[in-house]
Amino acid sequence: SQTIHQWPATLVQPVGSPLSLECTVEGTSNPNLYWYRQAAGRGLQLLFYSVGIGQISSEVPQNLSASRPQDRQFILSSKKLLLSDSGFYLCAWSVGGPSYEQYFGPGTRLTVT
Amino acid sequence: QQPVQSPQAVILREGEDAVINCSSSKALYSVHWYRQKHGEAPVFLMILLKGGEQKGHEKISASFNEKKQQSSLYLTASQLSYSGTYFCGTELSGNQFYFGTGTSLTVIP
Repeated sequence: SQTIHQWPATLVQPVGSPLSLECTVEGTSNPNLYWYRQAAGRGLQLLFYSVGIGQISSEVPQNLSASRPQDRQFILSSKKLLLSDSGFYLCAWSVGGPSYEQYFGPGTRLTVT
Repeated sequence: QQPVQSPQAVILREGEDAVINCSSSKALYSVHWYRQKHGEAPVFLMILLKGGEQKGHEKISASFNEKKQQSSLYLTASQLSYSGTYFCGTELSGNQFYFGTGTSLTVIP
């Protein structure tokens, strides 16, 4: 069966510090991968979308970037965090494009102080 | 392009029914429904494809009206476990996908 991992589970970082969040999927090959951000009490905002290694689509201009160095690994990064980057970061995978259901990881709760 | 959900919040007693609506201004290719418990990740409930039929999952079912660009989620005989925030997700042309604004559902004894 397929599983998706995210770490860390929680993170407190000062403004201006770098960020690296990792997501890995097991039990499937060539998944579509997604990074979402959810502000407190708000909806899900798609940040990045990847259909394969090195193929990243950015949905929202921001100070974040994403990389996919391996088939089942998706990394979210920032060089300098802003207060507005605080939120719940969720990684998800699907077997295909938007017509297929998405399965979410447990998420990382990021607080920028 | 983000679909709008209504109502924003609803409180039910156990055993009551509810309907959550999802409406888009764009043509839809598919509609997803997810439920998110507080502090947890969203969980997939069902997907409705263009030209597909009404789907069901336990006592939760959904419909998709392509012409009106709307979908509705039906929860019958609600249980305490149904509490959470429900999100629709809509697929548009060009592989675009957007989650809706969310509907908070609280079931009380």
